[in-house]
Amino acid sequence: GAVVSQHPSWVICKSGTSVKIECRSLDFQATTMFWYRQFPKQSLMLMATSNEGSKATYEQGVEKDKFLINHASLTLSTLTVTSAHPEDSSFYICSVSSSGAYEQYFGPGTRLTVT
Amino acid sequence: EDQVTQSPEALRLQEGESSSLNCSYTVSGLRGLFWYRQDPGKGPEFLFTLYSAGEEKEKERLKATLTKKESFLHITAPKPEDSATYLCAVQAGTGRRALTFGSGTRLQVQP
Repeated sequence: GAVVSQHPSWVICKSGTSVKIECRSLDFQATTMFWYRQFPKQSLMLMATSNEGSKATYEQGVEKDKFLINHASLTLSTLTVTSAHPEDSSFYICSVSSSGAYEQYFGPGTRLTVT
Repeated sequence: EDQVTQSPEALRLQEGESSSLNCSYTVSGLRGLFWYRQDPGKGPEFLFTLYSAGEEKEKERLKATLTKKESFLHITAPKPEDSATYLCAVQAGTGRRALTFGSGTRLQVQP
């Protein structure tokens, strides 16, 4: 399977500020990357799907102006949480997939705490 | 709407006590059913993909099976290191590549 990294692994920010989370595919050309959010003791909820070089497709109820996604290359996608609020505190996880493949391989996740 | 239901929510086993986890699904044309393992504070780790009813896959103490309505993850003679949350997810055959996850089964294996 693919090796996926995320940076940072955890971050604390103040309400109203923005924070950027990076997702890197280290050994795999990720034509598609996915961003998920997981609240405590809940399962993963898809936020958006991004294809390299294209605009991301957001799930219903996810604000595209608040969660900015950029997938500029086959190895890097970023998620920027703008004007963060305490309710945005969560575990954010990215996954990667290649063209035609079924499986998704997940990163280790980023714990965001907004104070 | 695709739906995945996992049971039980939590399971406590003694080391060596075999059991099965259930994943029931409703999906528009199943493209694939996936099992993942997730440890606390970490991302899901890929275990298996199943594509069609009747298919089975094995890895060490784990065996996954698939029918037209559900999948089972059988754990044979579990060890404490098998303690984790096991997630089931489906991918629909609609061209949409996103996964729909169940809520998971938290497994605890006691020595």
